[in-house]
Amino acid sequence: DIQLTQSPSFLSASVGDRVTITCRASQGIVSYLAWYQQKPGKAPELLIYAASTLESGVPSRFSGSASGTEFTLTISSLQPEDFATYYCQQIHTFPLTFGGGTKIEIK
Amino acid sequence: QVQLQESGPGLVKPSQTLSLTCTVSGGSISGGGYYWTWIRQHPGKGLEWIGNIYYTGGTNYNPSLKSRISISVDTSKNQFSLKLTSVTAADTAVYYCAREGASPTQFDYWGQGTLVTVSS
Repeated sequence: DIQLTQSPSFLSASVGDRVTITCRASQGIVSYLAWYQQKPGKAPELLIYAASTLESGVPSRFSGSASGTEFTLTISSLQPEDFATYYCQQIHTFPLTFGGGTKIEIK
Repeated sequence: QVQLQESGPGLVKPSQTLSLTCTVSGGSISGGGYYWTWIRQHPGKGLEWIGNIYYTGGTNYNPSLKSRISISVDTSKNQFSLKLTSVTAADTAVYYCAREGASPTQFDYWGQGTLVTVSS
């Protein structure tokens, strides 16, 4: 199985901060990576797919990038509604796998 | 707007079979172009892909669960279902159904999730 290692697992930040989350794949997955946001008690919501394509309706402060097997989710200016847990997912090879998650909390 | 809704027992006894159904509205499963997926999340933990199905019945399963799972589709009811046999406490989780594009790909619509507890 392809392992996805997210870092950090926990992040404390303030409104307005620029935040970056990293997801490293155990093998090459080209750009077959998605990012999701999950709030407590809710289902995950798709933010980004194909490593850098913003899902329709997702604010432009979210962006994704890729370099080899390292993928990055960036929030340019953290908003109150962005405090949540974020997961990466590889969609290159079965079984589909997710990273362990990054929880962003208010500083 | 596509909507998915999970249904099924919230409590299952150890060694029994967990059965869940996902009802899709706002779109037809038999329209093709999408796979229909089950994912679970253990309490306070990350996400685990269980498997998916196409409207024709073709499936992909997570090898870690393959011996115990079966996913089926009922296009007449616009539903797909999950059966997980021989459950233990380790199968206690929130179970989500979701829509997936031309597999494998991302999940763009999710159900709200349903908590299934395995306990006697």
